[in-house]
Amino acid sequence: ETAVFQTPNYHVTQVGNEVSFNCKQTLGHDTMYWYKQDSKKLLKIMFSYNNKQLIVNETVPRRFSPQSSDKAHLNLRIKSVEPEDSAVYLCASRRRGTEVFFGKGTRLTVV
Amino acid sequence: GEQVEQRPPHLSVREGDSAVITCTYTDPNSYYFFWYKQEPGASLQLLMKVFSSTEINEGQGFTVLLNKKDKRLSLNLTAAHPGDSAAYFCAVSAFAQGLTFGLGTRVSVFP
Repeated sequence: ETAVFQTPNYHVTQVGNEVSFNCKQTLGHDTMYWYKQDSKKLLKIMFSYNNKQLIVNETVPRRFSPQSSDKAHLNLRIKSVEPEDSAVYLCASRRRGTEVFFGKGTRLTVV
Repeated sequence: GEQVEQRPPHLSVREGDSAVITCTYTDPNSYYFFWYKQEPGASLQLLMKVFSSTEINEGQGFTVLLNKKDKRLSLNLTAAHPGDSAAYFCAVSAFAQGLTFGLGTRVSVFP
């Protein structure tokens, strides 16, 4: 059962372009995340957003920024993509003390 | 902060045999422990959640052991079958904290 919805599933773009990925959760969770999963399957947390408090992984380049309209939505914008941004971006949500639910991911390819 | 080490990174298992994946963590306040399974091209699915009050959890075809003294969490696949071929991730969290993931183990089951 999918309760974390991501769009698009795939995106191919050129270096320097701006891209935006959408994420919506219908679980009523209070915390949402963006993770990056590279070609080696390594999972790296990028952002955590809870009650309007944003926690940023300090290793994330500034060209990445999360955007939220309410606690059910957390979008990801990349201002000027680089080749190393090619990866799968996973959106997730969680209620305190429970497991994390993941979306199906958005695969970004930068050419 | 929390650090999670997961071993081995790759595992080849003959069908019908058992296999063990182990994670060690550093934060003694860790309270929530999770195992996720990621099949090729798919997102992460929760396999099992373990709270610190329990030590042994059994699922369908696997057992999870938690040793709080040694700060070790293990996933034991019993009688592996082709459907077990996937990447497995452990995740650890202290109360009210985000999840810290291990680097993953790629399991391949061969006949």
